[in-house]
Amino acid sequence: DAKTTQPTSMDCAEGRAANLPCNHSTISGNEYVYWYRQIHSQGPQYIIHGLKNNETNEMASLIITEDRKSSTLILPHATLRDTAVYYCIVRANGGATNKLIFGTGTLLAVQP
Amino acid sequence: GAVVSQHPSWVICKSGTSVKIECRSLDFQATTMFWYRQFPKQSLMLMATSNEGSKATYEQGVEKDKFLINHASLTLSTLTVTSAHPEDSSFYICSAKQGSFYGYTFGSGTRLTVV
Repeated sequence: DAKTTQPTSMDCAEGRAANLPCNHSTISGNEYVYWYRQIHSQGPQYIIHGLKNNETNEMASLIITEDRKSSTLILPHATLRDTAVYYCIVRANGGATNKLIFGTGTLLAVQP
Repeated sequence: GAVVSQHPSWVICKSGTSVKIECRSLDFQATTMFWYRQFPKQSLMLMATSNEGSKATYEQGVEKDKFLINHASLTLSTLTVTSAHPEDSSFYICSAKQGSFYGYTFGSGTRLTVV
């Protein structure tokens, strides 16, 4: 699976949009971009995933560049409860045996 | 949505004893489950892939005789930490995947402290 690079930490003001970048310059054509987050002392939570089109759900939006070498997760109106470590993961889809390998992630601190 | 239940949420055990952690998929069948370990201020490290009805596949560097995995049914996988030592103290997390195009669902984790 392709490697991802994320900033170690970011701050965001409560109520503002949080934009979390991820670089995945070696992504392959069949690899999806997944985003998970982990609130302290809890299991990771699925946020969103996409292949090449931008995606939006009730939690966030995922913007993938046309060359697919980078993406941005957008939390439109960050709240204090969004403080967590956000992981960007690239892997091929299909098959329940495909492993999910976590990198170091971005610690997002939402400030009041 | 898919729910994965992990039990216990925390456990304290004496050095040299064994501890069993359960991971259940509550509303779906999971032929494959995954076990992770997380030390403080570190990322999740994949330990092994648990396959229903067959042996688990361990990642490089993980001792299969120390971390016993059993996946006896389509909804239950167990991780047993045998002869636990203080360095085994960690946060253990399981996950499972429903279908081919949904994200992985994670349990809430088990905090193991070996004293």
